Amino acid sequence: GQNIDQPTEMTATEGAIVQINCTYQTSGFNGLFWYQQHAGEAPTFLSYNVLDGLEEKGRFSSFLSRSKGYSYLLLKELQMKDSASYLCAADSNDYKLSFGAGTTVTVRA
Amino acid sequence: DAGVTQSPTHLIKTRGQQVTLRCSPKSGHDTVSWYQQALGQGPQFIFQYYEEEERQRGNFPDRFSGHQFPNYSSELNVNALLLGDSALYLCASSSLVTEAFFGQGTRLTVV
Repeated sequence: GQNIDQPTEMTATEGAIVQINCTYQTSGFNGLFWYQQHAGEAPTFLSYNVLDGLEEKGRFSSFLSRSKGYSYLLLKELQMKDSASYLCAADSNDYKLSFGAGTTVTVRA
Repeated sequence: DAGVTQSPTHLIKTRGQQVTLRCSPKSGHDTVSWYQQALGQGPQFIFQYYEEEERQRGNFPDRFSGHQFPNYSSELNVNALLLGDSALYLCASSSLVTEAFFGQGTRLTVV
């Protein structure tokens, strides 16, 4: 089966940095997705890591360690619009994404 | 490009009824997946359609069924609705070389 764990909630101040951790236990693992979901909206793609290491994309970076079953999403220079749920999803070779429950990030002024 | 479109956006049904949700994939995508997202939870995989066939299925009962048409659009049918079926139903389309793009979802409320 699939097991994806991430924290439920995180709060940070505007301009700060927040790191959202995700651990996974997935058979047939291909890679790890991060999606952002604002309340009442569709999840939108942020990143996809296949290889170990850090991938940087503007204010957002994502890291993967396949041997440890661990990923994190790093949000830098937080803005109010970054308040959302962040979903970690494991991509496996059985064509489906297995999602964590999501981490609600609240950015305060 | 309209992206992934789903209809209807909201729906209220009574227990025991049947419902059909519809999804049009993003242009160029041939694969459609359906997910159920309960409030405060991550999306749960229901099934995936490719070449008009169900290619993979998650842990959902047979009351959940689907279809994919030659133009790649898809339907999700749920029979004998239960209160617990109330959720946001998300459709995601993809192709061999792209990540999944999600539609806005259909909010189903069963009363």
